[in-house]
Amino acid sequence: GAGVSQSPSNKVTEKGKDVELRCDPISGHTALYWYRQSLGQGLEFLIYFQGNSAPDKSGLPSDRFSAERTGGSVSTLTIQRTQQEDSAVYLCASSSRGGQGSYEQYFGPGTRLTVT
Amino acid sequence: AQTVTQSQPEMSVQEAETVTLSCTYDTSESDYYLFWYKQPPSRQMILVIRQEAYKQQNATENRFSVNFQKAAKSFSLKISDSQLGDAAMYFCAYRGTQNSNSGYALNFGKGTSLLVTP
Repeated sequence: GAGVSQSPSNKVTEKGKDVELRCDPISGHTALYWYRQSLGQGLEFLIYFQGNSAPDKSGLPSDRFSAERTGGSVSTLTIQRTQQEDSAVYLCASSSRGGQGSYEQYFGPGTRLTVT
Repeated sequence: AQTVTQSQPEMSVQEAETVTLSCTYDTSESDYYLFWYKQPPSRQMILVIRQEAYKQQNATENRFSVNFQKAAKSFSLKISDSQLGDAAMYFCAYRGTQNSNSGYALNFGKGTSLLVTP
């Protein structure tokens, strides 16, 4: 079946502009995760959704970042007033309660954000 | 918080040879999962192999195997008969018990870039 998709694949934006990143999880997956991969850094966990609810938003880097999920499916990560340090690859992953209990996360191809 | 350390930023291996990528982690939990992910230039994270901490037997997937040393908190990946297509970034990841705030969020190391030479 279809995997996790993300759009856009690449986004170049000017400093100070707002951007919206989209994630379409695998159908039926109730859990959704956003990670950020910055140059020279590993992957940093940003936020987790179970259904439409995000219990804790403290992992978001600043109050310019927000995320939502609607209908238990599509999620959007919005960055307001982008800064150059926001340049990174933003990865989305989804998982379900697999029979083996490993709750494996399936990743999308990511959105590469460049702030000029 | 659990930390994952990959001490080899870059590794190189000749085609058909064997290479081992290192990973250590720090945790106070007894029940957890460890993963190795491969990230080629396409950016798509691909699960290579998983290990459940309570299983003593080392996981294997075709040419990929792990050496899991729970007491030493070490989780290395061995790639046998290396192929050109194995060239990628490899990330070691830790997943602990479910957290109400972060679910099963993964803690990643900083990655090892594997170069495969003909």
